[in-house]
Amino acid sequence: GAVVSQHPSRVICKSGTSVKIECRSLDFQATTMFWYRQFPKKSLMLMATSNEGSKATYEQGVEKDKFLINHASLTLSTLTVTSAHPEDSSFYICSARDSLWTYEQAFFGQGTRLTVV
Amino acid sequence: EDKVVQSPLSLVVHEGDTVTLNCSYEVTNFRSLLWYKQEKKAPTFLFMLTSSGIEKKSGRLSSILDKKELFSILNITATQTGDSAVYLCAVEGYGGATNKLIFGTGTLLAVQP
Repeated sequence: GAVVSQHPSRVICKSGTSVKIECRSLDFQATTMFWYRQFPKKSLMLMATSNEGSKATYEQGVEKDKFLINHASLTLSTLTVTSAHPEDSSFYICSARDSLWTYEQAFFGQGTRLTVV
Repeated sequence: EDKVVQSPLSLVVHEGDTVTLNCSYEVTNFRSLLWYKQEKKAPTFLFMLTSSGIEKKSGRLSSILDKKELFSILNITATQTGDSAVYLCAVEGYGGATNKLIFGTGTLLAVQP
């Protein structure tokens, strides 16, 4: 089956620094990628949707200048948390699919546990 | 506002028990409902439901959708400790250039030996 690789799986950074998270589709062209955030014992909250070659669409309440999303190729999307603060500590998960597919064929990365100290 | 509500929030059972997890939704322009199992990291796909009354089965798991009453259930029979996980329900709604999933808060299932 399709594989989505997310890296790193865990990162600890100092407050004020930036962190980049990568999401790669390994054996299919991901025309659409989704970025989610998950707080402990909470559900996945969609942060933004990115289509290859165009600007990401952010959900209400998500700061686009803080969470920079780049989807420059059909196999790679990146999420950069800029000037990270402790409240940004969370579990971030990406999901990727070909826009022609249904969600049955959307695959999730393994997630990135971000801790800002 | 679109929302997906799951119940119970958590559940503890013993091996061999049967469990039923619930998911109700209010989503504009419903397209499909999906169930996922999340153990430690990435959610893994279980079922996608689009039509009312048609049960989907996979081994000991089954699920059904009621589009009139706006809910779905996920059944797990003869539970095993390996079924312990968070079960997420998500609803896909038509909207804009790309449909998106709205997730419920999940049900934490713990199966004890």
